[in-house]
Amino acid sequence: DAKTTQPTSMDCAEGRAANLPCNHSTISGNEYVYWYRQIHSQGPQYIIHGLKNNETNEMASLIITEDRKSSTLILPHATLRDTAVYYCIVRVAASGYSTLTFGKGTMLLVSP
Amino acid sequence: EPEVTQTPSHQVTQMGQEVILRCVPISNHLYFYWYRQILGQKVEFLVSFYNNEISEKSEIFDDQFSVERPDGSNFTLKIRSTKLEDSAMYFCASSEVVSGGAGKGNTQYFGPGTRLTVL
Repeated sequence: DAKTTQPTSMDCAEGRAANLPCNHSTISGNEYVYWYRQIHSQGPQYIIHGLKNNETNEMASLIITEDRKSSTLILPHATLRDTAVYYCIVRVAASGYSTLTFGKGTMLLVSP
Repeated sequence: EPEVTQTPSHQVTQMGQEVILRCVPISNHLYFYWYRQILGQKVEFLVSFYNNEISEKSEIFDDQFSVERPDGSNFTLKIRSTKLEDSAMYFCASSEVVSGGAGKGNTQYFGPGTRLTVL
């Protein structure tokens, strides 16, 4: 799986949009970008994933650049409960199983 | 919404003892996984399991570890003789089987974890 690079930490004010960047310059054509988050040693929580089109769900939006070498996870109105470590993971998802390789992620601190 | 559940939430054991960590995957999922996270470190893959056999395992998953699906709902991780360095959070995950492409069916959903403390 391609390697990803994320900032170590980010701050965001409550109610504002949190934009979390991820670089994956060596991504292959069959690799998807997945985002998970982990709130204080709880189990990782799936947020969103995409291949090349932008995606949106009830939790977040995922913007993938046209060359697919980077992406941004957007939490449109961050709350204190969004404080967590956010992981950007690139993996081949065509097979029924492929392991998730977690990096250190970005620690997002949402403050009042 | 269906969830992966794990028991116990916290297990304390003496070095050298056997422990069994239990997971109930989401009911229509057929791929199962164990990951672990040592305090302050990354989440690490241990093993994946499908159709009653191991699909893939990491270097961490040595002969001290085994997995089993003893019935139609449980998925277990056994550590035969625990060591101090086995102290960690252990997470179970599951995903559906999807042939070709990637929908949410290939997404892994994690349980809340079991904190294992080896004394």
